[in-house]
Amino acid sequence: KAGVTQTPRYLIKTRGQQVTLSCSPISGHRSVSWYQQTPGQGLQFLFEYFSETQRNKGNFPGRFSGRQFSNSRSEMNVSTLELGDSALYLCASKVQSTNEKLFFGSGTQLSVL
Amino acid sequence: DAKTTQPNSMESNEEEPVHLPCNHSTISGTDYIHWYRQLPSQGPEYVIHGLTSNVNNRMASLAIAEDRKSSTLILHRATLRDAAVYYCILTYSGYALNFGKGTSLLVTP
Repeated sequence: KAGVTQTPRYLIKTRGQQVTLSCSPISGHRSVSWYQQTPGQGLQFLFEYFSETQRNKGNFPGRFSGRQFSNSRSEMNVSTLELGDSALYLCASKVQSTNEKLFFGSGTQLSVL
Repeated sequence: DAKTTQPNSMESNEEEPVHLPCNHSTISGTDYIHWYRQLPSQGPEYVIHGLTSNVNNRMASLAIAEDRKSSTLILHRATLRDAAVYYCILTYSGYALNFGKGTSLLVTP
């Protein structure tokens, strides 16, 4: 069974631009969550989608948004990029929304210049 | 949201047991305790989780205090491949909260 796939692996953008990151969960997994990892703040929760609906949201500004498609694939968008948005963005999936283990992808490393 | 507190770093010798502590004094009755670890250049991987009772699996053991305000991840025989950042988190209804910075475990031969 293929694992969680995130594309692209690396991305370089400039301030003010927008970016879209993609996540393909493990087949059969309906929950997808996104995290931001930086050396200063550690690993922080962005939001979770389940059956195309956002179920939970972390404490991030509205510039960060996401969506989930009917095949459970998810995208995350960041608009008006700031230097502080440079981070590793991780996606995780699980079957449903109960207390199951999360399966993480390898992440997308975003650099904002 | 309930928070966890972990030491920034710990060190262990290879083939010795390692006890990684985690404090979660504001835990609620429905919060599960999960442990993940992250190797360099990889996403976190699941290690173990539990609610009230101690848990064992092929990777590690989880010891949960009777009042549930703290827990300890036990690696029975540390190997060099166990060198990673270990995260202790609480989940409510499967909702995984912030992982924070975790404990960086150094294993020396």
